[in-house]
Amino acid sequence: DTGVSQDPRHKITKRGQNVTFRCDPISEHNRLYWYRQTLGQGPEFLTYFQNEAQLEKSRLLSDRFSAERPKGSFSTLEIQRTEQGDSAMYLCASSLGTVNQPQHFGDGTRLSIL
Amino acid sequence: AQKITQTQPGMFVQEKEAVTLDCTYDTSDPSYGLFWYKQPSSGEMIFLIYQGSYDQQNATEGRYSLNFQKARKSANLVISASQLGDSAMYFCAMRENNNAGNMLTFGGGTRLMVKP
Repeated sequence: DTGVSQDPRHKITKRGQNVTFRCDPISEHNRLYWYRQTLGQGPEFLTYFQNEAQLEKSRLLSDRFSAERPKGSFSTLEIQRTEQGDSAMYLCASSLGTVNQPQHFGDGTRLSIL
Repeated sequence: AQKITQTQPGMFVQEKEAVTLDCTYDTSDPSYGLFWYKQPSSGEMIFLIYQGSYDQQNATEGRYSLNFQKARKSANLVISASQLGDSAMYFCAMRENNNAGNMLTFGGGTRLMVKP
């Protein structure tokens, strides 16, 4: 059972550039979640997918943020026109669909905006 | 109002002793779940233990146990026989069944430092 995989581990970019992160969930998990974690805080929910359907996206921080899960397997999170305040750790998690199942997290992508 | 409150920003514990990390929560949903995660300095979030709101007994997983007091809305994590490798951030999180997708709401975390 391989865990949740995220790529890249670190991303440094200049303000105004677009960035895209990838998440590969645990293979049998149908739910996939994205969270953002800023320094010294707990993770903050952004969006979630059940299979390929994005069922909750109202928590995405702005219209610069978007996510896809085209075939119900891997997912991408894109941030357009990055800003200094986007610097954070972006965490992906996956789980089975039953309510008592824990979410398993990847190692995260740390984004630094210059 | 904060949904998950962890009032201890930092805790020290002597190696081999037990330690309790506090977590209080706020929800009107009768069905919910409480989770504890460990985040070492390397950054990964590691699931430790789960307690459902209807579970009659406190959850235990190895050296981890959850002191669940439903009326007080608290779900404290107890780590027995602390080890140096337990030094990390610990997050309490809640999943409410009435929210779409069962997203987790996290507290601000407690940094645990184990002294040799």
